[in-house]
Amino acid sequence: QSVLTQPPSASGTPGQRVTISCSGSSSNIGSNYVYWYQQLPGTAPKLLIYRNNQRPSGVPDRFSGSKSGTSASLAISGLRSEDEADYYCAAWDDSLSANWVFGGGTKLTVL
Amino acid sequence: QVQLVQSGAEVKKPGASVKVSCKASGYTFTSYGISWVRQAPGQGLEWMGWISAYNGNTNYAQKLQGRVTMTTDTSTSTAYMELRSLRSDDTAVYYCARDSRIPPHPYSNYGFDYWGQGTLVTVSS
Repeated sequence: QSVLTQPPSASGTPGQRVTISCSGSSSNIGSNYVYWYQQLPGTAPKLLIYRNNQRPSGVPDRFSGSKSGTSASLAISGLRSEDEADYYCAAWDDSLSANWVFGGGTKLTVL
Repeated sequence: QVQLVQSGAEVKKPGASVKVSCKASGYTFTSYGISWVRQAPGQGLEWMGWISAYNGNTNYAQKLQGRVTMTTDTSTSTAYMELRSLRSDDTAVYYCARDSRIPPHPYSNYGFDYWGQGTLVTVSS
């Protein structure tokens, strides 16, 4: 059971815009930045979004992040076949355990 | 270019220990920390802890306290993660990741920006 809640799957056709949600609580998303990672099949995760909506150098502007209250979302516009991957949200959790927490991941399928 | 290269796959028996290495290159090793993240087969990501390559300070996930030790060797720009008293549910791919956390802030504002290729640790009798 992951601390952050994501839908297990999402899908879209090439060129479409898809969004992936991530729900948390006041001790994580509600009080800290949200991060998004993309994991292509059989590879290590890759940082996609940091500090809620910032893109590292080299990440296309088709990827965007937002946060409101205790929820966040990742939007992918102009969907491409190479976007088919698992996507994970993450945030620091200020509770007693004081951990990084992740969502369970969303598998994005490009139809 | 920044690279993190991890040691190879391991097979261990329950109760044993494993030590995974992560050799960094392409940046000043002591200017960053290293976080370790694991992923059980078909499962999500789990943060294990962080170590400062500057002074060796550590912050472990509460769940793993007492079983995990993270160290660094600045002479070789290598980070290590040792996990003891292995159980079958420790079977996972273990990743190291560069972490730009600057204490006393509890976490990095920039996330884990570079990752190793992963090391599969299998715990089986």
